[in-house]
Amino acid sequence: GAGVSQSPRYKVAKRGQDVALRCDPISGHVSLFWYQQALGQGPEFLTYFQNEAQLDKSGLPSDRFFAERPEGSVSTLKIQRTQQEDSAVYLCASSPGTATGELFFGEGSRLTVL
Amino acid sequence: SQQGEEDPQALSIQEGENATMNCSYKTSINNLQWYRQNSGRGLVHLILIRSNEREKHSGRLRVTLDTSKKSSSLLITASRAADTASYFCASNLYGQNFVFGPGTRLSVLP
Repeated sequence: GAGVSQSPRYKVAKRGQDVALRCDPISGHVSLFWYQQALGQGPEFLTYFQNEAQLDKSGLPSDRFFAERPEGSVSTLKIQRTQQEDSAVYLCASSPGTATGELFFGEGSRLTVL
Repeated sequence: SQQGEEDPQALSIQEGENATMNCSYKTSINNLQWYRQNSGRGLVHLILIRSNEREKHSGRLRVTLDTSKKSSSLLITASRAADTASYFCASNLYGQNFVFGPGTRLSVLP
């Protein structure tokens, strides 16, 4: 496809379950970002990859959050032992260059933790 | 939080009127960008202004940047009902992440 693809679009998890959210960036895009967006708020930075290297993970809220991009394309955001406060929309964005130009966003994965 | 501030938080105007949104940020930047988000959707890039630029136009959009005040404004002229959305600014320092503001929710009434 031409755009950034995220799956699943909606995920309901019971508290304590592990979840994995997938992001397919635009082919050839070097930079990939994950953001968390609570209802009515702006996106909050989680982590940033340049190709397969995770250059910044300062926004990950706890060690239950883990992200990877092993081959420099598809990325997975994993949340272990989910808590209710993890309920949010998780947005993935990619950029052709090294984190300085326009970001192309996916539609997001809405996580609800019961 | 690294987020800057946007004001107003919410803005309601009539079709045909102009809408102005303001954004402040906290650190030095390489560029500042504005994005739009329709309810339940991802963000869409609108316009980018570099730190050495003061004003930029794109269609009905006009963006200004004041680096001395660490602030930017987005003006949408001749608004339409289809402009109803949330608008976010994002500040970017080269090679680092993009910091988004909390957004302005714009409602354009027909």
